[in-house]
Amino acid sequence: AQSVAQPEDQVNVAEGNPLTVKCTYSVSGNPYLFWYVQYPNRGLQFLLKYITGDNLVKGSYGFEAEFNKSQTSFHLKKPSALVSDSALYFCAVRDISGGSYIPTFGRGTSLIVHP
Amino acid sequence: GAVVSQHPSRVICKSGTSVKIECRSLDFQATTMFWYRQFPKQSLMLMATSNEGSKATYEQGVEKDKFLINHASLTLSTLTVTSAHPEDSSFYICSARESQGSNQPQHFGDGTRLSIL
Repeated sequence: AQSVAQPEDQVNVAEGNPLTVKCTYSVSGNPYLFWYVQYPNRGLQFLLKYITGDNLVKGSYGFEAEFNKSQTSFHLKKPSALVSDSALYFCAVRDISGGSYIPTFGRGTSLIVHP
Repeated sequence: GAVVSQHPSRVICKSGTSVKIECRSLDFQATTMFWYRQFPKQSLMLMATSNEGSKATYEQGVEKDKFLINHASLTLSTLTVTSAHPEDSSFYICSARESQGSNQPQHFGDGTRLSIL
């Protein structure tokens, strides 16, 4: 079985400050992990993924995420937030060993960056 | 990058009308396409998964006869909402995954806002 949790419905941060959007997961085997961003009335855009290798993954728009196996986390980060980063962010996981080829999405976290 | 085109972007129609939504992968072959429904300020609800050339697999609670899915080619899947009613009003999003490598991300269309009067 696979599951993913985004514990925060909303994250507020001032422009220029670092941001973190949290994601934890549960899988029986090894995970594939993904982050997506959704702007209003749009579909989701792929930001980055972790498959294997380096725990720190860099993605689009200056975002990065760190895979932490011991804490089963894959938090999304950015050193300096922009107002234009305000959007809905989704974490997704797929259990490589579980036999399912369908990722499970978290419920989403609304990021609001204040000027 | 991989592009998924979803049309129409918005539909407003009367109750009882059937609505077809198209999802096309423009520059890659998509063995698998996914259809989601999203309510305001809520997460994605997976409705069904379609594989090219075979019947769609529907999630529990999704009516097969209500939401008809066809995936006739590696680049096109369609969702038809039959005899739509106001409770079917929602934001529908498709996504597609490249056939090579199941560790590939999904590529999403821009969604279709369906409003049934």
